[in-house]
Amino acid sequence: DGGITQSPKYLFRKEGQNVTLSCEQNLNHDAMYWYRQDPGQGLRLIYYSQIVNDFQKGDIAEGYSVSREKKESFPLTVTSAQKNPTAFYLCASSRGLAGGWFVEETQYFGPGTRLLVL
Amino acid sequence: EDKVVQSPLSLVVHEGDTVTLNCSYEVTNFRSLLWYKQEKKAPTFLFMLTSSGIEKKSGRLSSILDKKELFSILNITATQTGDSAVYLCGSQGAQKLVFGQGTRLTINP
Repeated sequence: DGGITQSPKYLFRKEGQNVTLSCEQNLNHDAMYWYRQDPGQGLRLIYYSQIVNDFQKGDIAEGYSVSREKKESFPLTVTSAQKNPTAFYLCASSRGLAGGWFVEETQYFGPGTRLLVL
Repeated sequence: EDKVVQSPLSLVVHEGDTVTLNCSYEVTNFRSLLWYKQEKKAPTFLFMLTSSGIEKKSGRLSSILDKKELFSILNITATQTGDSAVYLCGSQGAQKLVFGQGTRLTINP
């Protein structure tokens, strides 16, 4: 089955701890994205990557870091610098913008990871 | 700064009613407008709109885009309790997709 997987489903973070959220896709998509969703809010973009070994900051990148060493994987690290990390984190992928076809821009989402602070 | 605004933020109706959800956008180098439905977890794709005035339909759901006035609407006719969800609108610019706050739709039996 093709799709996007995120793990873990729930994650607990202690004060001062870095935690890493996993996102894997087998859709052969070039572009991958991380969003944060707070209760009653829409999605805010943290980081995105249009191609392997390249990524850009989104609107709320402070306190987060990413890597894109493989096409299939785009892990997100929530660092201790992120003072209010409690949220629902969604990973998405799309074929990418490089081809210039609108159909490639549709993003498909993983099931999400809920991060809670102890 | 790119911005997407949805209205209303919350809507409660009775089963069988018709609803219209609104989405206005200001996005540099606009490419497309996307609608998603989010029930409990991952948003699921509904529509992508790129041209003005062309309605997209899927069952009881339909959507249309007005690129001159910079808005889109999502219509749901004969609503059912299974339509209860948060509906997200996103506008794709040159580099990224910007989402609105979402509209929480509740359908009461």
